[in-house]
Amino acid sequence: QKEVEQNSGPLSVPEGAIASLNCTYSDRGSQSFFWYRQYSGKSPELIMSIYSNGDKEDGRFTAQLNKASQYVSLLIRDSQPSDSATYLCAVNDYGQNFVFGPGTRLSVLP
Amino acid sequence: DARVTQTPRDKVTEMGQEVTMRCQPILGHNTVFWYRQTMMQGLELLAYFRNRAPLDDSGMPKDRFSAEMPDATLATLKIQPSEPRDSAVYFCASGLAGQGMHRSVGELFFGEGSRLTVL
Repeated sequence: QKEVEQNSGPLSVPEGAIASLNCTYSDRGSQSFFWYRQYSGKSPELIMSIYSNGDKEDGRFTAQLNKASQYVSLLIRDSQPSDSATYLCAVNDYGQNFVFGPGTRLSVLP
Repeated sequence: DARVTQTPRDKVTEMGQEVTMRCQPILGHNTVFWYRQTMMQGLELLAYFRNRAPLDDSGMPKDRFSAEMPDATLATLKIQPSEPRDSAVYFCASGLAGQGMHRSVGELFFGEGSRLTVL
């Protein structure tokens, strides 16, 4: 069974700090990796996708992928209170469904 | 503004009643997913369709749940009879599967969800 694991948190960081969120996956055939943000009572929204080993930066967000270690992470620089949400890691392989991790709850303290 | 539309947004029903949830995927998307989310289980895949054909419904209790796509603009999820343990938020999401070698779906777009409470 394909699994995606994340620390459930809560992860608390002070405003302006770097938040580091981690995710591991079990299926070596996985090809596409995503980070979704979900505010309380809302639906998930995509914030980053990554397909190749290495880093991908988008504004304050950096996704990192290491397929050999089956590990993907999300760094949020200069964390803001508005970043407080649950972050879901999702993994997809060719033609298969999306498997989501349980999510990590992030709290950015003013 | 393209978005996934789900109805109803909120539904409260009695145990044993039939519940139907509807989803209109984004026009042009060829893949539709149904997820259920609870505090305890997170996002669980119930079923998904590609080009209206069901590809995987292994996450769905077959005796009471059914999912269909009568046409490209409508996906339905039906629960009959409903039970209190079905209380959850049900999300529909759509995406576009690639053609050729990289056939996986890129970004998934989620609807706002249908919150179901079964008393």
